[in-house]
Amino acid sequence: DVKVTQSSRYLVKRTGEKVFLECVQDMDHENMFWYRQDPGLGLRLIYFSYDVKMKEKGDIPEGYSVSREKKERFSLILESASTNQTSMYLCASTSLTDTQYFGPGTRLTVL
Amino acid sequence: DQQVKQNSPSLSVQEGRISILNCDYTNSMFDYFLWYKKYPAEGPTFLISISSIKDKNEDGRFTVFLNKSAKHLSLHIVPSQPGDSAVYFCAAGNSGNTPLVFGKGTRLSVIA
Repeated sequence: DVKVTQSSRYLVKRTGEKVFLECVQDMDHENMFWYRQDPGLGLRLIYFSYDVKMKEKGDIPEGYSVSREKKERFSLILESASTNQTSMYLCASTSLTDTQYFGPGTRLTVL
Repeated sequence: DQQVKQNSPSLSVQEGRISILNCDYTNSMFDYFLWYKKYPAEGPTFLISISSIKDKNEDGRFTVFLNKSAKHLSLHIVPSQPGDSAVYFCAAGNSGNTPLVFGKGTRLSVIA
């Protein structure tokens, strides 16, 4: 059974803090993704990675960075959190021939 | 420019009746399409998919129809149940290993 886990379900941070969101998958998937979901805007792709140490910008990368040091782990970093980064963050993974699977999400609030 | 559009933000259906969720796309390079279901405070879960070589795929109460000439797909749920109440996302991809493109979602409410 595919499992994508995210480090926190709920997180509250202050403006200007550095925030780390961790994602781990146990299916040896090559591809991993970070999205944010906001009401009326759907799922927007922030960054993705096709392999270890590789990263590609998605549609809204500004204010974010990522790290993929190991195949199973993909981290999203908010260098200096701002209130407009309050959102639901979703991690997903897939292999080349498989469906994309999502983690449970992290609801981040930036005060 | 939205490549995948779900023009209905919400839909209400009576329990037992059919729910029809629609999705339009613009990119003719897409060759497979998926529907995901999302409950509040949870990640999306895969529901059903269809390859561009087919025009219909069925899985229990869920059927996806693809009309390539119209660049349109739809998800039929019959009979609808209260537990089907969720946000449904349409997604499209191609075999070139590029990320899926998602629509903005349709919130389905099934009323008992």
